[in-house]
Amino acid sequence: KAGVTQTPRYLIKTRGQQVTLSCSPISGHRSVSWYQQTPGQGLQFLFEYFSETQRNKGNFPGRFSGRQFSNSRSEMNVSTLELGDSALYLCASSLDGVNTEAFFGQGTRLTVV
Amino acid sequence: AQSVTQLGSHVSVSEGALVLLRCNYSSSVPPYLFWYVQYPNQGLQLLLKYTSAATLVKGINGFEAEFKKSETSFHLTKPSAHMSDAAEYFCAVRGSGSEKLVFGKGTKLTVNP
Repeated sequence: KAGVTQTPRYLIKTRGQQVTLSCSPISGHRSVSWYQQTPGQGLQFLFEYFSETQRNKGNFPGRFSGRQFSNSRSEMNVSTLELGDSALYLCASSLDGVNTEAFFGQGTRLTVV
Repeated sequence: AQSVTQLGSHVSVSEGALVLLRCNYSSSVPPYLFWYVQYPNQGLQLLLKYTSAATLVKGINGFEAEFKKSETSFHLTKPSAHMSDAAEYFCAVRGSGSEKLVFGKGTKLTVNP
């Protein structure tokens, strides 16, 4: 059974640009969550999608957005990139997001220069 | 609101020694508790989870954790450390009915030969 797949693994962008990250969950999983990991702030919850609907959102500015498609694949978008957005972005999938464990992808390392 | 405190950002042990990584949680509802491990430039791998079925939880790679409600603790242990255990470990809590994982700051485990 394939795990959670995140693409790309590494990304370098310039301040002011926008970026889209992709996450393919484990087959059959309908919940996809996104987390940002930085040395200073640790792991922080961005948002969670279930059946194409955003169910929960963390405390991030509106520049961070996401969506989920009918096949449960998810994308997150960050617009007007800032240096502080440099981080490892992790995607996690679970069957229902509430009562089952989350499985994480390897992450996308975003560097903003 | 849920929160997690991991005592000790760095723990160093000798190969073959006991591993003890501390986690205390705060939750207003019965929690789900998790331990994840992260190797360099990798995502998070689930070690074990507590979901109220049993207070002593056994996980992968010889790790186990004991849920102690009176102490609001969920410490991770392994009787004998192996060099391959060197990694960063994260304790996380999720409230019942919530999709969001709240992580501790992490404990970096070093295993000395």
